[in-house]
Order: sequence, then C-alpha cells, then structure tokens
Amino acid sequence: GENVEQHPSTLSVQEGDSAVIKCTYSDSASNYFPWYKQELGKRPQLIIDIRSNVGEKKDQRIAVTLNKTAKHFSLHITETQPEDSAVYFCASNFGNEKLTFGTGTRLTIIP
Amino acid sequence: DSGVTQTPKHLITATGQRVTLRCSPRSGDLSVYWYQQSLDQGLQFLIQYYNGEERAKGNILERFSAQQFPDLHSELNLSSLELGDSALYFCASSVARTGQRGYTFGSGTRLTVV
Repeated sequence: GENVEQHPSTLSVQEGDSAVIKCTYSDSASNYFPWYKQELGKRPQLIIDIRSNVGEKKDQRIAVTLNKTAKHFSLHITETQPEDSAVYFCASNFGNEKLTFGTGTRLTIIP
Repeated sequence: DSGVTQTPKHLITATGQRVTLRCSPRSGDLSVYWYQQSLDQGLQFLIQYYNGEERAKGNILERFSAQQFPDLHSELNLSSLELGDSALYFCASSVARTGQRGYTFGSGTRLTVV
C-alpha cells in the first residue's frame, strides 16, 4: 500500500548543530518527494522538494537526499536556528495524483 | 497569505449537526485537496478534485462529502458530526492534476464538536 514511514517522531538538537529526518516509502512508482514545515497553529509550508531523477538538492541550510534503491529520502538542516523549531512532514506521491504524508517529526532547537 | 482561502477559520458545533467548510484555491490552480489533521496527528487525505471532477478519494467517511464548483472553489460537507470529528481541516491547491507539484495549503478550519 501507500505508506511513508518517518523517523524520528521527536528530535531535539542544540542550536548550531545539524538535524536529520528520514523517510521511507513503499512503492517504487513514487517520483516526487516534498518536505513541509508546520509551525504551531499554522499551515504546512513547502520548504524543499526533490524528484526521482535527482539524488540531492540544496537550498541554503536545507538539503534533501534521495536513495531510490533503498526507497528512502532525508531532510538535512545545518546550522540550526530557533526558528527551525516546528513539525516537519515528508510526503510522496506514489506515482499518482495525491500526496501521502509521513507522521511528522517535532524538531526542537535548544538555545 | 498563501493565496488559498479557507472559511471559516473556527467552527464550534454540537454533535449531530452538519457544517460546510469552504476553500478557494490559488489563482490558476485547478486541483483542490482536502486533508484532516487531528490533534498531534499527521495529515490524512480525504479527497481531491481537479477542474470540477473527483480524482482521488482517501479514507473519507460516508458522512462527509465534497464538491468543486465551476469557479473552482470547493466545499467539504460534514454531517451527523461526532466528537471525534474535531480536527483541523486543511484545503490545498496545486496547478497540476498529478501529485508532481507541491501543494499550497490554506490556513485551515478548526472544527470543534461539543
């Protein structure tokens, strides 16, 4: 079935350190993998995405890597700042018309 | 402002009642998606419309229904409400029919059933 597993469910890192969140998907037909950030009480916002023909993508302090063979993709945040504290969701399209989301990771940056 | 407008922002209603949530997609977007987010939970897909047609359906209860109108706005109807229906309901829109472009989410409607 269409399943996205996301780990860890909670993550606390010291300000300035790096944070890594990992997701695994179940269907090799998946070809689009976005990441969303949701601050408390706010809407999810797209922060970065990657397609299956690319192995890595960077945008300033954020990067996403994709391993198609292992069917997993990861979000990397470097030089973390207090404003990075939020819930992060990975997602996959499973080759069809909607996104299936992971269960979320609550990231807390410790000053 | 994301460009996706959801109304109302908050709704408090009693069990057994019926409510309608409204969503106007971002200008130019033809796909509308509805998701339910319960407290401290993930985003559960309910239903998708593309240019007025239903395209995909998730674990949407029979008590729930939706439609997309010719002006592309969408409404989610929730009836015979139960306490467990209390959640944040998000609408998202996308220019694509397929899930190959990122969504833009609205600010959500927080439904509280008492």
